[in-house]
Amino acid sequence: EDKVVQSPLSLVVHEGDTVTLNCSYEVTNFRSLLWYKQEKKAPTFLFMLTSSGIEKKSGRLSSILDKKELFSILNITATQTGDSAVYLCAVEESGTYKYIFGTGTRLKVLA
Amino acid sequence: EAQVTQNPRYLITVTGKKLTVTCSQNMNHEYMSWYRQDPGLGLRQIYYSMNVEVTDKGDVPEGYKVSRKEKRNFPLILESPSPNQTSLYFCASSFRNLRGYEQYFGPGTRLTVT
Repeated sequence: EDKVVQSPLSLVVHEGDTVTLNCSYEVTNFRSLLWYKQEKKAPTFLFMLTSSGIEKKSGRLSSILDKKELFSILNITATQTGDSAVYLCAVEESGTYKYIFGTGTRLKVLA
Repeated sequence: EAQVTQNPRYLITVTGKKLTVTCSQNMNHEYMSWYRQDPGLGLRQIYYSMNVEVTDKGDVPEGYKVSRKEKRNFPLILESPSPNQTSLYFCASSFRNLRGYEQYFGPGTRLTVT
C-alpha cells in the first residue's frame, strides 16, 4: 500500500531555532513531492520537488528530495511565531493524478 | 482574484438527507479534486477530475458522488450522509506546469452529520 509518513508528529521550538521536518514515502509511481503549510484554514503551497538533490529555497524555508532513499526534508531557519502551523507532505502519483498525504507535523514556535 | 470557493462553509445536517457542497474555481484549471481531513488521518482524496466529464475515484470514494459538467465547477454530492462523513472537506484545483500539478485549496467546508 502506498503511504507517506511524516516525522516528528509535533515539535515545539523557540524563536530563532532551526527545525528539520521529515517526509518519507513508499509510492509505486512517483511524479512529484509537495510541501504545504496549514494554519487554521486551507493548506497553502510551499514547494514542489521532482528531482533529487536540487534544493528549493524560499526565504527561510528550503527543501530537498532524495529519490533514491525516498524522503524529503523541509528546513526552516530562524523560526518565527508565524511559522507555527501544520506542515503537510504529499506525493503525486504518476499517471493517476492521485495525491497521498502524510498526517503532518505540527510545529509550534514560542516567542 | 484567483481563488477556489466552496459553499457552504459550515453545515449541520441529519443522517440520510441529501446534500451538495459546491466548489468553483476561476483560474481555468483542468484538474480539480476533493479531500476530507480528519484528526490523525490527514488529508485523504475522495474524487478527482482531470477535465470536463472525466472523473475518477481517490482513496475514500464510498458514500460520495461528483460531477464535472463545466470546467470551473466540481460539486461533491452526499446522497445519504452518515455520521462517519462528519469531517472537514477541501476542494482543490491545479494547473499543469513542466514539473507536475501544483494544487490550490479552497477554504474548506466543515460538515457535521447527526
